[in-house]
Amino acid sequence: NAGVTQTPKFQVLKTGQSMTLQCAQDMNHNSMYWYRQDPGMGLRLIYYSASEGTTDKGEVPNGYNVSRLNKREFSLRLESAAPSQTSVYFCASSRDGNLGQYFGPGTRLTVT
Amino acid sequence: LAKTTQPISMDSYEGQEVNITCSHNNIATNDYITWYQQFPSQGPRFIIQGYKTKVTNEVASLFIPADRKSSTLSLPRVSLSDTAVYYCLVGAGYQLTFGKGTKLSVIP
Repeated sequence: NAGVTQTPKFQVLKTGQSMTLQCAQDMNHNSMYWYRQDPGMGLRLIYYSASEGTTDKGEVPNGYNVSRLNKREFSLRLESAAPSQTSVYFCASSRDGNLGQYFGPGTRLTVT
Repeated sequence: LAKTTQPISMDSYEGQEVNITCSHNNIATNDYITWYQQFPSQGPRFIIQGYKTKVTNEVASLFIPADRKSSTLSLPRVSLSDTAVYYCLVGAGYQLTFGKGTKLSVIP
């Protein structure tokens, strides 16, 4: 039981490049989340998915798109990376939106 | 969205009880309160969750007063391994807010 896995662990992009962060969970959870964590800012929700095929914007969705293709996987896409998107990105899942979340190990992204 | 406020940092000696309070004045009726622990270079880890009154599990207690405008995480007899950042989270689904975290340093 791997819990929540994220790939890649580290990534460096140039401004304007695109990439997709992958997240998968094997706990049969319905809800999945994408956060970014910046120094002094805590964690901020980018997107939330209550179930397969549904997504909702969080606090900071601009510049990102998400895809929940099945119950296990929830991906985050940066279409045109900007230096302001340099951050650590965490994926999380929970049985439903009211319950405690299980977090992945994070992806450290640097945009130059 | 609820706005949350936590102390930036706290120090404690080993073996003492530590209480960390989070203020959330505009908490909504349906909002749950959840606390997480985070070590450097790791994702947050769930500690405890509550809606009202008191909740206890094997590692912590959570006290929530009747007006629910604050919550207190209580860690009994802390050890060096409890040195971490502790976050409160208020809300659920896509309507949630993390506090900025309290850095707890446990001193031998």
